Amino acid sequence: AQSVTQPDIHITVSEGASLELRCNYSYGATPYLFWYVQSPGQGLQLLLKYFSGDTLVQGIKGFEAEFKRSQSSFNLRKPSVHWSDAAEYFCAVGLTGGGNKLTFGTGTQLKVEL
Amino acid sequence: NAGVTQTPKFQVLKTGQSMTLQCAQDMNHEYMSWYRQDPGMGLRLIHYSVGAGITDQGEVPNGYNVSRSTTEDFPLRLLSAAPSQTSVYFCASSPNDVGTQYFGPGTRLLVL
Repeated sequence: AQSVTQPDIHITVSEGASLELRCNYSYGATPYLFWYVQSPGQGLQLLLKYFSGDTLVQGIKGFEAEFKRSQSSFNLRKPSVHWSDAAEYFCAVGLTGGGNKLTFGTGTQLKVEL
Repeated sequence: NAGVTQTPKFQVLKTGQSMTLQCAQDMNHEYMSWYRQDPGMGLRLIHYSVGAGITDQGEVPNGYNVSRSTTEDFPLRLLSAAPSQTSVYFCASSPNDVGTQYFGPGTRLLVL
């Protein structure tokens, strides 16, 4: 069965520090991948997406992610975290021809210490 | 464009009651989906549609019905509400099979 794992439930970083959120997937075919962010009481906002091509993807708010097929990973990074980045982050995976069905990870809650 | 809209924002039901969660999009997207979000479980797909008149089940379809009579609207029906259906429900739309999903603001449902 297809699955997406976000191994870190909570992460706390200091403002200005670097950030890496992990995402691993288990799929039989090459997937397309997303990172979404959710602020409290809000819907989900797209940060970035990988479909094909360059495996290093740039997104909004200074985020980037790297698709590593050999490790089945799509980790999210940011070189310097801002207090406004505190939110919950979700990795999601879909399959081409799959009807745009996404499988989401369980999320990582990011806390930023000032 | 309003994007994806959902009504109501919040609803309280008694066990056994029925209701319909409304979802509409004005982006002419063919693909639409319903998810539920529960603490520690991420988002789970309830039902999805790849176009008007076409719907299919997702991961957790039991207790829910959908229909897609128009491109714009994708209502989710709870037939007989149960406390286990207490959750936050999100509707999303996408322009194609591999397109980004755009999410509505969510409906918070409490079943007593």
